[in-house]
Amino acid sequence: DSGVTQTPKHLITATGQRVTLRCSPRSGDLSVYWYQQSLDQGLQFLIQYYNGEERAKGNILERFSAQQFPDLHSELNLSSLELGDSALYFCASSVAPTSYEQYFGPGTRLTVT
Amino acid sequence: DAKTTQPTSMDCAEGRAANLPCNHSTISGNEYVYWYRQIHSQGPQYIIHGLKNNETNEMASLIITEDRKSSTLILPHATLRDTAVYYCIVRVGHNAGNMLTFGGGTRLMVKP
Repeated sequence: DSGVTQTPKHLITATGQRVTLRCSPRSGDLSVYWYQQSLDQGLQFLIQYYNGEERAKGNILERFSAQQFPDLHSELNLSSLELGDSALYFCASSVAPTSYEQYFGPGTRLTVT
Repeated sequence: DAKTTQPTSMDCAEGRAANLPCNHSTISGNEYVYWYRQIHSQGPQYIIHGLKNNETNEMASLIITEDRKSSTLILPHATLRDTAVYYCIVRVGHNAGNMLTFGGGTRLMVKP
């Protein structure tokens, strides 16, 4: 158990819908990262937050957005969902904003039908 | 960031040492080598990292060659639960964007 929690575990929704994925980092970790893993793209970095502020952006679509709240939990919002958004979404956390020693949650499996 | 090359797959007998190689011939002086693994559909798990000295922790050992162009992750006594995809990642120690970039990794199959 990494100490990072993600909800929900599974999500099934239809195209065009909007969903919110939630992540709670390890106690004491200020930095949160979101990654997407699909069958054809592998694990890809989406976005990073540190202590409430956006720190780095990867290949995140404009339909996707995220935020980190004062209690340090983070949410990833996915809108206008397409079939290709079906994937595993992982949240990770680290103590420092520059740390590559990141601890991953169990993931949320999103299925868009 | 330096590019890494890993074998696509490897087998190992249970109880034996698993030696997973990684080539990073374009690594620069301030780039660290990180290893993660992902057990089927679970979140990736940090294993170990190093700069130039060999490192050991409770999970594994990391051997980095003197020229730093390659490294080997060693699982001393592999168990069936070590079956996973192992990723070698090379990153600068401190970077404004410290996202992890995962390549294809090595699929390690530990067999009874």
